Amino acid sequence: SQELEQSPQSLIVQEGKNLTINCTSSKTLYGLYWYKQKYGEGLIFLMMLQKGGEEKSHEKITAKLDEKKQQSSLHITASQPSHAGIYLCGAFAGTYKYIFGTGTRLKVLA
Amino acid sequence: NAGVTQTPKFRILKIGQSMTLQCTQDMNHNYMYWYRQDPGMGLKLIYYSVGAGITDKGEVPNGYNVSRSTTEDFPLRLELAAPSQTSVYFCASSYSNPTGTEAFFGQGTRLTVV
Repeated sequence: SQELEQSPQSLIVQEGKNLTINCTSSKTLYGLYWYKQKYGEGLIFLMMLQKGGEEKSHEKITAKLDEKKQQSSLHITASQPSHAGIYLCGAFAGTYKYIFGTGTRLKVLA
Repeated sequence: NAGVTQTPKFRILKIGQSMTLQCTQDMNHNYMYWYRQDPGMGLKLIYYSVGAGITDKGEVPNGYNVSRSTTEDFPLRLELAAPSQTSVYFCASSYSNPTGTEAFFGQGTRLTVV
């Protein structure tokens, strides 16, 4: 079965620093989704990547999908306390199952 | 447009009790999902449904049951609650094309079994 692994599991950065979160799939991805979860709340959709080499940006967050469509990265530029939370990558694993990575817990120190 | 609505938001159960977590969506999505999220962990798929009358097991279905009698509703039933079922439960839904759209999530139900 397909699995998504995220790294790092947790991250503590000083405000203003850049950071990158990675998501690696055991199989080719046909759609990769990034979500953010604030502590104790539901998931908020950030962006979706479908094509190999695709890159999308929203405000200070950029996500990329590699050419082989097995790895994605989420990059935050000039982090702020509002970026804190849990970042999850998600993908469809075939047969309509939507699976998630293990999550990356981000803390941003003011 | 309410999106995905879950009830209750919090619940404490005694070992051996039963309960139903409610989930309803008003977006006419065919696909619906139930996940559990344990502390510090990612989401694990419990059950999913691709349409009314059709359900299937996910990664961690033991101890749970679901039904999908309508497109809108996808309740999750816990029979004989156990401490291992202490978790946060999320319901989600998505459009019929699973590779082309994101899933929408409810706010979660925090369940404690004591």
